[in-house]
Amino acid sequence: QVQLQQWGAGLLKPSETLSLTCAVYGGPFSGYFWSWIRQSPGRGLEWVGEIVHDGNINYNPSLKSRVTVSGDTSRNQFSLRLRSVTAADTGVYYCARGTSASWFIDSWGQGTLVTVSS
Amino acid sequence: DIALTQTPLSTPVTLGQPASISCRSSQSLVYRDGNTYLSWLQQRPGQPPRLLIYKVSNRFSGVPDRFSGTGAGTDFTLKISRVEAEDVGVYYCMQATQFPWTFGQGTKVEIK
Repeated sequence: QVQLQQWGAGLLKPSETLSLTCAVYGGPFSGYFWSWIRQSPGRGLEWVGEIVHDGNINYNPSLKSRVTVSGDTSRNQFSLRLRSVTAADTGVYYCARGTSASWFIDSWGQGTLVTVSS
Repeated sequence: DIALTQTPLSTPVTLGQPASISCRSSQSLVYRDGNTYLSWLQQRPGQPPRLLIYKVSNRFSGVPDRFSGTGAGTDFTLKISRVEAEDVGVYYCMQATQFPWTFGQGTKVEIK
């Protein structure tokens, strides 16, 4: 049973950079895609971006200018960086695993509440 | 972006009775390979979402058979044949046919 454990700073000031990391335990890193999804009362669930096992990376166009998703296969980890945050970026951020065989997300991290406030 | 519209937004259900949630897409979710990448997720209070159904009608491992998914093209439905107390939560449809992946706004299932 794969487990995703995520961590990162939970309180940011406007214009700072959000940085989260997700570690994968109990399952291979290769052969899957690894996503970041955020949730807020105002925006609901929003897909942020993903890194595929072959190295391809896809971003939500609404965030593409500010976001970077990267992976470290040697550590079975992947990360999210979101630059120049504003209050609109406040929410719970989830890392998640998906299977490209049928394009669904089957495992989620516990979520990290990120608050952007001056 | 593909918009997913769920109805109703809230549904109070008597224990043991059925529940049905609709998800309508702004465009067809049939991918060029012929598959339809529409999933249903359940989110219990305080927890991350959990996969129930993938590719419209396939129950994920461990999901009770009271959950079923149907639909095609732009119209999809999640049905719970007999609601149990543990089914309380918010249900989302999600499409992975076209980037960016998108979610419905959620339907809250509560017990009457």
